Amino acid sequence: DQQVKQNSPSLSVQEGRISILNCDYTNSMFDYFLWYKKYPAEGPTFLISISSIKDKNEDGRFTVFLNKSAKHLSLHIVPSQPGDSAVYFCAGRYGNKLVFGAGTILRVKS
Amino acid sequence: DVKVTQSSRYLVKRTGEKVFLECVQDMDHENMFWYRQDPGLGLRLIYFSYDVKMKEKGDIPEGYSVSREKKERFSLILESASTNQTSMYLCASSFLGGLGETQYFGPGTRLLVL
Repeated sequence: DQQVKQNSPSLSVQEGRISILNCDYTNSMFDYFLWYKKYPAEGPTFLISISSIKDKNEDGRFTVFLNKSAKHLSLHIVPSQPGDSAVYFCAGRYGNKLVFGAGTILRVKS
Repeated sequence: DVKVTQSSRYLVKRTGEKVFLECVQDMDHENMFWYRQDPGLGLRLIYFSYDVKMKEKGDIPEGYSVSREKKERFSLILESASTNQTSMYLCASSFLGGLGETQYFGPGTRLLVL
């Protein structure tokens, strides 16, 4: 039972354009959602989070939107840079546990 | 900066061997976690611990055990390694509770079981 789904295995975007990564979830008990970025041969690093009572959180080039009625969240990166090329994981939190999606590989072409 | 270290970056073991993966964190975090990462499956929680000598099963605990004798150290044990345990293993730590709780990850151990 996949509680967190990232349906796009990969995404390719031109440098300077917007990257939009999507995530769907089924567990209504999640109280926070987080995005992590992972480079090859490194552990994931925290990028941005959003409380389940908010609908938007912004940090520099990164914005996360939450649509609770649709059980959907998205990460927007504007403008995209080649250094953003990585695997992005969406996660939902309940208690002190995180449930991760399968990840989306983002490639930003220069 | 939080630092989570894992004892090995790469390991090659034979089927049936007992395997120990060690993780140490330096931020006095209460929570520690072990995940495995496989293509198309993301990160799956194996075990976690919220205090010394405390442990809880995650989503895929079969074939694994853990040990937390000290707050900073969390060990993952493969009692009898099998080829389907070939994977990337990631350790993480976090504070207990808090808002938007962030888990900090180590660099990972890539384990190959032959």
